Amino acid sequence: QKEVEQDPGPLSVPEGAIVSLNCTYSNSAFQYFMWYRQYSRKGPELLMYTYSSGNKEDGRFTAQVDKSSKYISLFIRDSQPSDSATYLCAMSLDLNKFYFGSGTKLNVKP
Amino acid sequence: GAGVSQSPSNKVTEKGKDVELRCDPISGHTALYWYRQRLGQGLEFLIYFQGNSAPDKSGLPSDRFSAERTGESVSTLTIQRTQQEDSAVYLCASSLVTGRETQYFGPGTRLLVL
Repeated sequence: QKEVEQDPGPLSVPEGAIVSLNCTYSNSAFQYFMWYRQYSRKGPELLMYTYSSGNKEDGRFTAQVDKSSKYISLFIRDSQPSDSATYLCAMSLDLNKFYFGSGTKLNVKP
Repeated sequence: GAGVSQSPSNKVTEKGKDVELRCDPISGHTALYWYRQRLGQGLEFLIYFQGNSAPDKSGLPSDRFSAERTGESVSTLTIQRTQQEDSAVYLCASSLVTGRETQYFGPGTRLLVL
C-alpha cells in the first residue's frame, strides 16, 4: 500500500467552477500536510501547508485536513484557466522526509 | 534572486553507463533534497542533506545511486550502471534549513536510458 493515494484525474472543469482535490494516507503519524502545484516541465511550487485538522484559507484556495479519516482536500474557488496544472499533495512526519501523492491533473476550460 | 538550478536539463544515455546530475541550491540554503518523478507519478524521496551531511539515505533505490554535497552548496546525484527503469525526471529542492515546510524546486533533469 502506498503511503499517500491521490486520484490522477484528469479533472476537467469550466472556468469559475469550484474544484475539489483529495488525498488519503495510511500513516497516522503524519503531522504536516502540503499542497504543491506543478506546471508542465517545471518543478513543483508550494501552494499551502497546514499542521492540524481543520481548514486553512488563502485567497481562492482552502486546504482541509481530517486526521481522523486520514483525508486531506484542496478546494479552489472561482477556478481560472491559469489554475490548469498538476496538483500534488505531500505529507511529512518531521519536515525532513516528504511523501508525495501521484498528482491530479486539472484542466480549467475558458 | 536566482532559484534552484539543475544541469543538465536533459540527458540521454545508454544502459550500463554512469551519469552525474548536478544541483545548485539557492544561496544560503543549508537543506537540499533529491526526488525522482517517473512519468505520470508523484515525487519519490531519494535523499536529503543538512549541510554536507545526509542523515537519511533510505530513499536511494539501490547501491547504484549515490549523492554527495560540497559544503552547503552544489550537490551531485550519481547513478552507476544505469538501467532503463532509471528513466525519470530527477528533481532537486532546497530550503533554508531542514524542518521547514517550504522547499524550492529546480526544473529537474530529464534522464532517458536507452
